[in-house]
Amino acid sequence: RKEVEQDPGPFNVPEGATVAFNCTYSNSASQSFFWYRQDCRKEPKLLMSVYSSGNEDGRFTAQLNRASQYISLLIRDSKLSDSATYLCVVNSPYSGGGADGLTFGKGTHLIIQP
Amino acid sequence: DTEVTQTPKHLVMGMTNKKSLKCEQHMGHRAMYWYKQKAKKPPELMFVYSYEKLSINESVPSRFSPECPNSSLLNLHLHALQPEDSALYLCASRGQTYEQYFGPGTRLTVT
Repeated sequence: RKEVEQDPGPFNVPEGATVAFNCTYSNSASQSFFWYRQDCRKEPKLLMSVYSSGNEDGRFTAQLNRASQYISLLIRDSKLSDSATYLCVVNSPYSGGGADGLTFGKGTHLIIQP
Repeated sequence: DTEVTQTPKHLVMGMTNKKSLKCEQHMGHRAMYWYKQKAKKPPELMFVYSYEKLSINESVPSRFSPECPNSSLLNLHLHALQPEDSALYLCASRGQTYEQYFGPGTRLTVT
């Protein structure tokens, strides 16, 4: 299976800072793109889908560049509660058709410091 | 409501035991997934059910046996597991734009 690559971190940043995560994917047939957040010992939770036109949800902005196969996430005015692992996730069809699945990056660990 | 439920939350079993993990969703999603996650690693896909039929088995050992009794339920039957199978087992269902919603997981320890 093709890979999704992201910087594992950890990123240690002060509260209020802006944080940027980057991710690249290798399967050009990938169809859908997401950022998930996972807290320690919890399940991954969908943070936002990522669209080619770019999309924003409050302090979070995601961008997709299909030509470069590159995805980004920007967190502005970071809060202590943003501390978590951020997973770059790509949905791709399986060979043979009939199903698809998510491929996860290894995750970037973010620590917001007071 | 984007809730996926899983039971039990925790499970400790011996290598000769047989147990089952259960997953339920009532969002009308027609694709459901089992993942295995070890500490500090991303989730790894095990099985995909699409319209209640097994469509993907990612070379999972036969000691793991999935079952989809209906469109809302997904089971994972466990038998003769090994200590290295200890992990967090996550169930997910897929929404209309291919996003997946995860249950809280079952933390499995094999002794």
